[in-house]
Amino acid sequence: RKEVEQDPGPFNVPEGATVAFNCTYSNSASQSFFWYRQDCRKEPKLLMSVYSSGNEDGRFTAQLNRASQYISLLIRDSKLSDSATYLCVVIRDDYKLSFGAGTTVTVRA
Amino acid sequence: EPEVTQTPSHQVTQMGQEVILRCVPISNHLYFYWYRQILGQKVEFLVSFYNNEISEKSEIFDDQFSVERPDGSNFTLKIRSTKLEDSAMYFCASSEGGPNYGYTFGSGTRLTVV
Repeated sequence: RKEVEQDPGPFNVPEGATVAFNCTYSNSASQSFFWYRQDCRKEPKLLMSVYSSGNEDGRFTAQLNRASQYISLLIRDSKLSDSATYLCVVIRDDYKLSFGAGTTVTVRA
Repeated sequence: EPEVTQTPSHQVTQMGQEVILRCVPISNHLYFYWYRQILGQKVEFLVSFYNNEISEKSEIFDDQFSVERPDGSNFTLKIRSTKLEDSAMYFCASSEGGPNYGYTFGSGTRLTVV
């Protein structure tokens, strides 16, 4: 089983829609979780950390489910500019960091 | 907003040649990293550097790779004898306090080995 797995998508959604996707991780001792955003041929950029209690940043909501070992990202009222690949990043208890392969989201007008 | 800068943005080199990729991390950051991303694939960890030494490296980071922080501001990745399969985007990243603080990535160097 891969350390970090994501549904590659693509998720094609109309503007204004809500889109959500998950990322599963295999190491139950993983301690920190992040969502990064990567535009085509650009560097990953930190979108948000994922806290145990769940957290929100504007239209973005991240959740952590430790029992089932997954994190989720929900984007409300999606904009054209949200089109990107969303990378799940998991930090294990030994501080090793693993990237998922990414989930591609395409928002259409 | 402080940023990590990488040069060059694109490097083309012949197989077997040595290349040096350069990075200037954010000035108050203490942890430095190199990652690579082969086109269409996921971001892969190469090496982490802290307190002037390698703290962690992956299986990819074999003897042909080396890193250096020669002057307190630059952070370089050297590939001694490039292979075709080294063609990738190489990202430098820095972090203020380690991976739990999140990383700031540079815009990358696209290395093409011909």
